[in-house]
Amino acid sequence: DVKVTQSSRYLVKRTGEKVFLECVQDMDHENMFWYRQDPGLGLRLIYFSYDVKMKEKGDIPEGYSVSREKKERFSLILESASTNQTSMYLCASSLFAGTGMVDLGQPQHFGDGTRLSIL
Amino acid sequence: QQQVKQSPQSLIVQKGGISIINCAYENTAFDYFPWYQQFPGKGPALLIAIRPDVSEKKEGRFTISFNKSAKQFSLHIMDSQPGDSATYFCAARFGGATNKLIFGTGTLLAVQP
Repeated sequence: DVKVTQSSRYLVKRTGEKVFLECVQDMDHENMFWYRQDPGLGLRLIYFSYDVKMKEKGDIPEGYSVSREKKERFSLILESASTNQTSMYLCASSLFAGTGMVDLGQPQHFGDGTRLSIL
Repeated sequence: QQQVKQSPQSLIVQKGGISIINCAYENTAFDYFPWYQQFPGKGPALLIAIRPDVSEKKEGRFTISFNKSAKQFSLHIMDSQPGDSATYFCAARFGGATNKLIFGTGTLLAVQP
């Protein structure tokens, strides 16, 4: 079974702090993703990475950065935390789409989330 | 338009009934349409998925109906059970090999015993 582990379930930080959220996957997946989940807004993509040291902005990258130094680890960084970044953060990983003989779609495997509160 | 519109926002169904969740999209470049199920305190997990060249896919009590001309797809849960109570997200893939998804806003389903 694929396991995506997020380092913290709950985190409380103060405005202006630099915050690191860590995510590790154990299935050698090329793709990794960071989302935030807010009521009524669904899951919104912050950043994703398709290879080590490679990253692309998602829909809401402002105020965030990411790091992928090793294939299994993808970190989300809040450069200067603000109260509007209070949210549930979800990490996911997947194989490249098209892996295998027939592309039936590659599922994204999610961690259980980090509930981040910025005070 | 990179958007997937999902309705309803919440749904209450009696045990044994049919739950129906609808999604609509605009971008014809989307090439894969998964549904994810999320229980409280857990991350979403893939439930069922369909490609746009297929009109229906069934897995157990869960069925996706896909209408390519109308750009709509829906999830039907037959014989709904209290254990199906969860949040459901539709999604659409637009990223090709990078497997990027656009998610709907979610539907909170409560199945009453």
